Amino acid sequence: AQSVSQHNHHVILSEAASLELGCNYSYGGTVNLFWYVQYPGQHLQLLLKYFSGDPLVKGIKGFEAEFIKSKFSFNLRKPSVQWSDTAEYFCAVNAVKNGGFKTIFGAGTRLFVKA
Amino acid sequence: GAVVSQHPSRVICKSGTSVKIECRSLDFQATTMFWYRQFPKQSLMLMATSNEGSKATYEQGVEKDKFLINHASLTLSTLTVTSAHPEDSSFYICSAPHEGATQYFGPGTRLLVL
Repeated sequence: AQSVSQHNHHVILSEAASLELGCNYSYGGTVNLFWYVQYPGQHLQLLLKYFSGDPLVKGIKGFEAEFIKSKFSFNLRKPSVQWSDTAEYFCAVNAVKNGGFKTIFGAGTRLFVKA
Repeated sequence: GAVVSQHPSRVICKSGTSVKIECRSLDFQATTMFWYRQFPKQSLMLMATSNEGSKATYEQGVEKDKFLINHASLTLSTLTVTSAHPEDSSFYICSAPHEGATQYFGPGTRLLVL
């Protein structure tokens, strides 16, 4: 069965610290990869996505993620976090099959950035 | 950009009643929509895939007769929680894919069953 694993459930950082959130998935077929963010009191928003091409993708607000196929990983990074990055981050994978797809979410990582 | 709305945003009902939640894609058409359930401090769990013009596809463990899904048009899917019980209290979120397989999420509906 397909699954998505996020390594950290809670992360606390100070402003200007670097961020890396781990994400691994298990699915042997074609995948589309996503990171979504949910700010307090708001709904899920797309941060970045990978479908094909350059495995290093850049998203909004200075976030980037790298797809490493051999490791089944899609880790999210940001060189210098801000207080406004406090949110919950979800890694998601579209398992593509027979012309359709199913989106599987990781458990989420709550990031708290101290001012 | 693509916008998905949900109505109502929150609902409180008595045990045994049915509740309908609407999901609309406002500026694009969606032949497929997805319904998720999110428990406190947990991730989204896919409940079912709503297909316009055909039956919904339910995930394992989700009761079809409990959670009725109707994809009435290319912009509207509804989830009806029938004979709701307190254990059905949760946050229900819908999404619709646009521009390929990118999901756009509704703001969610918080259901509280007393």
